Amino acid sequence: NAGVTQTPKFQVLKTGQSMTLQCAQDMNHEYMSWYRQDPGMGLRLIHYSVGAGITDQGEVPNGYNVSRSTTEDFPLRLLSAAPSQTSVYFCASSYGETGRNGYTFGSGTRLTVV
Amino acid sequence: SQKIEQNSEALNIQEGKTATLTCNYTNYSPAYLQWYRQDPGRGPVFLLLIRENEKEKRKERLKVTFDTTLKQSLFHITASQPADSATYLCALDNTGGFKTIFGAGTRLFVKA
Repeated sequence: NAGVTQTPKFQVLKTGQSMTLQCAQDMNHEYMSWYRQDPGMGLRLIHYSVGAGITDQGEVPNGYNVSRSTTEDFPLRLLSAAPSQTSVYFCASSYGETGRNGYTFGSGTRLTVV
Repeated sequence: SQKIEQNSEALNIQEGKTATLTCNYTNYSPAYLQWYRQDPGRGPVFLLLIRENEKEKRKERLKVTFDTTLKQSLFHITASQPADSATYLCALDNTGGFKTIFGAGTRLFVKA
């Protein structure tokens, strides 16, 4: 049982480049989300999905796109990378109502934009 | 705006003592409060959840309290061990909400 798998673990991008951060879970969780974590700040929600075909914006969605074509996968796309997007990105999943059950997090992707 | 505050200063304690971490919140009425552990370079790991109508929850050496009047949760680790050294995050959720908000975490160091 792999849980939540994120790839890549590390990435360096040049300003203006685009890329996709991958996230997959094998627990049949309906809910998936992307957070970014910056020093001294709490995890901030970027986008989330409550099921296949359904996505919505979180607190800091600008510059990012998501899609959810299957229950298992929830990729995060950076459209045109900016230095302000340098951060550690975490994917998380949960079943049922998120507050009731807690999240399973991936191990993170450390992104540097130069 | 909604805000969660955790002590940004690291907490240093001696092995065997009880560690107590604080989570305060404002402009929020959470139905659930969660605590996570995060080790360097790793994702957060879920530890405990407490509901608004529960005053206290225990799991092995962990104890969480939730005071909705004070808008505060306390997280206790009894008989602490060096392996408990990590950052601990608190998180809040509304009923039926999908936008959990997280605190920045408190770093705990347990010295042998």
